[in-house]
Amino acid sequence: AQKVTQAQTEISVVEKEDVTLDCVYETRDTTYYLFWYKQPPSGELVFLIRRNSFDEQNEISGRYSWNFQKSTSSFNFTITASQVVDSAVYFCALSALDPGGYQKVTFGTGTKLQVIP
Amino acid sequence: DTEVTQTPKHLVMGMTNKKSLKCEQHMGHRAMYWYKQKAKKPPELMFVYSYEKLSINESVPSRFSPECPNSSLLNLHLHALQPEDSALYLCASSQDSGDVRELADTQYFGPGTRLTVL
Repeated sequence: AQKVTQAQTEISVVEKEDVTLDCVYETRDTTYYLFWYKQPPSGELVFLIRRNSFDEQNEISGRYSWNFQKSTSSFNFTITASQVVDSAVYFCALSALDPGGYQKVTFGTGTKLQVIP
Repeated sequence: DTEVTQTPKHLVMGMTNKKSLKCEQHMGHRAMYWYKQKAKKPPELMFVYSYEKLSINESVPSRFSPECPNSSLLNLHLHALQPEDSALYLCASSQDSGDVRELADTQYFGPGTRLTVL
């Protein structure tokens, strides 16, 4: 079965601190896709990144960076110099074939990030 | 700014009412999705439409009835709901270009409809 674990339920940091959100996944599929979404209090899920299982290059986008490590089945997300606007719930998600051969999307339980001014 | 719009933003309905949620996207996407999200939980997939045909129904009760009139529009008809159906209902769309498996494309979400069933 496929699974996404976001062990950090809530994190609080002071503005300008760096913060890393952890994501560990499980799947038997060899071709899969990983995503991060941001959900601010308004409710809309905002797409941040999509990564396929064959692309292990780390990615940086402004203050955001992602570390994909297949060896440890992790896809961690780091925010550098955090800002109050980064306060939100962040979801990691996995899209892969389940044992029945159906493509499934599995979301982690989310990490609530609070950035304190 | 999101290119997936949802109406209404908020909806309060009684258990005997019939109402509809609407979703529209103008990105030329061919796959559209309904999700249900309870407070402090991740979104749960309900339905997937691909090229205007229902391709996935995640064993959703029949009191929820989806409809896809065209590739840009997705409706969710609600009838005889229960208080436990109160949640945020999110619509999403994706390219479904055929290059990757369905549900492997990036999904773009709308702002959601907050539904309260009394």
